Amino acid sequence: GESVGLHLPTLSVQEGDNSIINCAYSNSASDYFIWYKQESGKGPQFIIDIRSNMDKRQGQRVTVLLNKTVKHLSLQIAATQPGDSAVYFCAENNQGGSYIPTFGRGTSLIVHP
Amino acid sequence: DVKVTQSSRYLVKRTGEKVFLECVQDMDHENMFWYRQDPGLGLRLIYFSYDVKMKEKGDIPEGYSVSREKKERFSLILESASTNQTSMYLCASSQDRGASTGELFFGEGSRLTVL
Repeated sequence: GESVGLHLPTLSVQEGDNSIINCAYSNSASDYFIWYKQESGKGPQFIIDIRSNMDKRQGQRVTVLLNKTVKHLSLQIAATQPGDSAVYFCAENNQGGSYIPTFGRGTSLIVHP
Repeated sequence: DVKVTQSSRYLVKRTGEKVFLECVQDMDHENMFWYRQDPGLGLRLIYFSYDVKMKEKGDIPEGYSVSREKKERFSLILESASTNQTSMYLCASSQDRGASTGELFFGEGSRLTVL
């Protein structure tokens, strides 16, 4: 089946730096994408989403970029803080078809003080 | 505050035992899901349900069954637990397909160890 994957399993940054977490997807029919954050011992939590009719969406300290041409998604975290340390998952969905999201394998973000 | 509650955070069972993992959501969501999470493999879908008494197999249903007798409750059942079912189990729910977002709301997870 289709898969959603991540380029880097672990990303280490210094506090205050900007972080970029990447995700590749293969289903060209996917039209909705979500980033989740999973802190240690907790379930994943929604961070930000983007639809395929957009190429950029900003939240508080986070920005998601979508490049449909190369089927690439990224999450940018500005001024990374120790509390941002977690595993980040991207998920893709085709809302015109199945409502079941497909998750990537996750990237572990480690923020050093 | 919306919530998905998994009844047990940690369980230790023996091979061959029957295991019940319970999940309750208070958001009146139509859709509910059970995933297992293993290091390096991400989240894999076991079963999902889009309505009461309805269920659909996910990617890895073997060795599992589910029950959804009420809208707010979705149970995962391991009929005869095996050591390869040692894992973190995550329950999630989402609104109906026609909702404006497809966000999943997750519980805190149930870590099952099968000896």
